[in-house]
Amino acid sequence: QSALTQPASVSGSPGQSITISCTGTSSDVGGYNYVSWYQQHPGKAPKLMIYEVSNRPSGVSNRFSGSKSGNTASLTISGLQAEDEADYYCSSYTSSSTFYVFGTGTKVTVL
Amino acid sequence: QVQLVESGGGLVKPGGSLRLSCAASGFTFSDYYMSWIRQAPGKGLEWVSYISSSGSTIYYADSVKGRFTISRDNAKNSLYLQMNSLRAEDTAVYYCARDSSGWYWDYWGQGTLVTVSS
Repeated sequence: QSALTQPASVSGSPGQSITISCTGTSSDVGGYNYVSWYQQHPGKAPKLMIYEVSNRPSGVSNRFSGSKSGNTASLTISGLQAEDEADYYCSSYTSSSTFYVFGTGTKVTVL
Repeated sequence: QVQLVESGGGLVKPGGSLRLSCAASGFTFSDYYMSWIRQAPGKGLEWVSYISSSGSTIYYADSVKGRFTISRDNAKNSLYLQMNSLRAEDTAVYYCARDSSGWYWDYWGQGTLVTVSS
C-alpha cells in the first residue's frame, strides 16, 4: 500500500487561503468517506483537524475545511495565520491489508 | 481531560526487544479502540497497529507483522506494544492514539522515542 500523495510544501501570506491536496485511489480516498487531516507542529504530537472528509472536531477553527472529489481529498485553510505554519498529514481507511494509510505530508509556510 | 502518556522508549541494539506502555486517563478506556502510530526522524506518519476495545480484534502493518504485539489491560487503563527483533528502520517516535472507531484518531499522546542502533 503506497502512501497518499500530498504536495511537499504549500505557502501563503497571512489572510490568504491555501489548499492542500491528498491523492489516493478508489481503494482508499475515493472509495470511502474516511479521510482525516492532522496538523503537527515541530516536536509536537499530531492534532486532528478534520475527520470523515469534512467534519471539524470541537475546538478546531472554522478556518479549516475539508472536501473530496473522486480520489482526491483537500484541506483548505482560509484566513491564513502565523500559527497555521506546521506539517499537515491526510489519512484514509484503505481496503488493503494495512487498513490505514497516511499521506506523505505537506509543510505549510506562512510568508 | 483526555490524556495519553507513553513510556518505555530508549536505545536498543538491533535484534533486541522493547515494551512500550501508554497510560490513558480522562475517558472510559474500555470503550475505545486504540492504535500505535510511529514517525521516523524527519519522516511522515506510519500506522503500526490497532486493537479493538475488548482486545479481540488486532491489526498490524505489514512492516511489523510477526515482530510486534499489541495488547491492552482495561483494568489498568493501559495499552502496550511489545517490540521484538528490532531493526534500524524501527527507529521512530511511537505515539499511542485513541481510535474514534470512525477510522481516525482524535487524541494522541506526546510520543516516546525508540532508537535501534548498535
